[in-house]
Amino acid sequence: AQSVTQLGSHVSVSEGALVLLRCNYSSSVPPYLFWYVQYPNQGLQLLLKYTTGATLVKGINGFEAEFKKSETSFHLTKPSAHMSDAAEYFCAVKWPGAQKLVFGQGTRLTINP
Amino acid sequence: EAGVAQSPRYKIIEKRQSVAFWCNPISGHATLYWYQQILGQGPKLLIQFQNNGVVDDSQLPKDRFSAERLKGVDSTLKIQPAKLEDSAVYLCASSSAGGGGGFGEQYFGPGTRLTVT
Repeated sequence: AQSVTQLGSHVSVSEGALVLLRCNYSSSVPPYLFWYVQYPNQGLQLLLKYTTGATLVKGINGFEAEFKKSETSFHLTKPSAHMSDAAEYFCAVKWPGAQKLVFGQGTRLTINP
Repeated sequence: EAGVAQSPRYKIIEKRQSVAFWCNPISGHATLYWYQQILGQGPKLLIQFQNNGVVDDSQLPKDRFSAERLKGVDSTLKIQPAKLEDSAVYLCASSSAGGGGGFGEQYFGPGTRLTVT
């Protein structure tokens, strides 16, 4: 079955440090890829997406992600963490021809002062 | 533009009771989704509507869950009777694009947190 795996349910970094959240998917067919952020008691907000074209995608709040087909990965990065980045982050995949988004289990990002 | 609206925001019920959630999507969005998000997990699609027709309800527990989208605008999700394992956040999302594998960005509401005791 097609699946999405986020490595690490909880990531903790210091303010100003690099943020790296990992996402891998299981498929040889390149899907559409998304990262969503969820702040406490709020819905999901789209950070960035990859559909076609340039494999390095820039999103909101200084985040970016790179689609690597050979590694079936779409890791999310931010060069310098800010306290306001503390939230839950979800990777999601939509396979061509499929109707729905499939979400990973989420990674909770904690920022230490 | 106004976002996806959901109500209530919080609901506490006892097991075997019934509950209903309401969602009003972004104006003009043809596609509406209901997700269940259990604590510590990613959202799981329960049902997808295209206008007022069901596109995918393969993961909807139809013995206790039902959903409708009359007139192709707002939608109601009902659970009857509720079980302890139904405790979760129920998210509604909408998008302007349809299915067929094309890309349609989904916009999410704030969710309804259901606690079943």
